[in-house]
Amino acid sequence: EVQLVESGGGLVQPGGSLRLSCAASGFTFSSYWMSWVRQAPGKGLEWVANTRPDGSDKYYVDSVKGRFTMSRDNAKNSLYLQMNSLRAEDTAMYYCARVQQWELPDYWGQGTLVTVSS
Amino acid sequence: QLVLTQSPSASASLGASVKLTCTLSSGHSSYAIAWHQQQPEKGPRYLMKLNSDGSHTKGDGIPDRFSGSSSGAERYLTISSLQSEDEADYYCQTWDTGLDWVFGGGTKLTVL
Repeated sequence: EVQLVESGGGLVQPGGSLRLSCAASGFTFSSYWMSWVRQAPGKGLEWVANTRPDGSDKYYVDSVKGRFTMSRDNAKNSLYLQMNSLRAEDTAMYYCARVQQWELPDYWGQGTLVTVSS
Repeated sequence: QLVLTQSPSASASLGASVKLTCTLSSGHSSYAIAWHQQQPEKGPRYLMKLNSDGSHTKGDGIPDRFSGSSSGAERYLTISSLQSEDEADYYCQTWDTGLDWVFGGGTKLTVL
């Protein structure tokens, strides 16, 4: 059974940093693209970033470029999102997702909540 | 610019059928999309990949009540024999040549 479990969310002040983690199980992690998608309170889904199976390339939405860094550790079956220079508009539930080829998320985690507020 | 447009809300009666629409922006009518369901207070769930010719591939465990179809730039999700647990937000999503993703704004389905 595919499982994705996010952690690391919490309350952080504007300008601060946070590192999210996603623990994957039930599939060959190193064979799949992976993704982060977020959802602001009461809003729709917004793609944040994708990474190739080997982590060689990452793709980001414009609003987080230069502030967020996605990485993965295939030996630990783990995905990460380092978030720096956080803004109030980054407040959201952050979901980790397994990606089918590079096209679409076919399994989602339950999310971890990030709140940016003073 | 690649944009997906969805109606904000829809409603249908228990046991009936409903057809949700996702419209691709001009110049993108050949794109495939994916449909995702998000029940209240839960993470999203992948429903299916829907191609421009109407062929679709469903995710694991998705009931036969869920089906997809296409016409031009429109992509449809039809849910038949509506059940109370189908009350959810439904999002369409697609991918661009630059490997960016786009989500529609979502449709909130109410089962009456």
